[in-house]
Amino acid sequence: QVQLQESGPGLLKPSETLSLTCSVSGGSVNGYYWSWIRQSPGKGLEWIGHIFHSGSTNYNPSLKSRVTISVDTAKNQLSLKLNSVTAADTAVYYCAKLVAGGGANWFDPWGQGTPVTVSS
Amino acid sequence: QSLLTQPPSVSGTPGQRVSISCSGSSSNIGSNTVNWYQQLPGTAPKLVIYNNSHRPSGVPGRFSGSKSGTSASLAISGLQSEDEADYYCSTWEDSLNGAVFGGGTKLTVL
Repeated sequence: QVQLQESGPGLLKPSETLSLTCSVSGGSVNGYYWSWIRQSPGKGLEWIGHIFHSGSTNYNPSLKSRVTISVDTAKNQLSLKLNSVTAADTAVYYCAKLVAGGGANWFDPWGQGTPVTVSS
Repeated sequence: QSLLTQPPSVSGTPGQRVSISCSGSSSNIGSNTVNWYQQLPGTAPKLVIYNNSHRPSGVPGRFSGSKSGTSASLAISGLQSEDEADYYCSTWEDSLNGAVFGGGTKLTVL
């Protein structure tokens, strides 16, 4: 079964760029949608965006100007970049497989999540 | 402020049946299917109901979901101590072409 594992630096300073990687095992990124979701104490779960294996993306408008999601089919990974971070970007970041079909969409499975703190 | 409204907390005793509500609007629940996620302390969310009322393999039959109009609910019957967790509803929001989540409901088993 598919398993996801996020990785990346856990501590950033304001204005830096957040870069996270999600490694997919037990299955291929090809043919599927993949998402990034974050969870902060103040805002709960927040969908960041998703990408199809072909590279087409859709982002949350609240983050669109700062976020880039990409997929590397050779490495079976997806990545998240978030520019100009502030304390408001402090959260646990999850990657998840977006199952889409017949008008229904859900996230399954999820990675274990990686905590990111933005502090000077 | 989430587009989906859930009660902050619910509680029940072992064996009891509890229900968690999720209220939305015509642009989210009203036109899309609803999913429910269980988050045990310190872990990632886990899918327990998808497409309004379907249970993934491995999820006990005690969990059930329903949707009517712009609202949905998750019911847990035969409550067990291991069900104590945070529960989130989620659906697609047409204006975003993306997902939205409820604020979460903390289930306490007394």
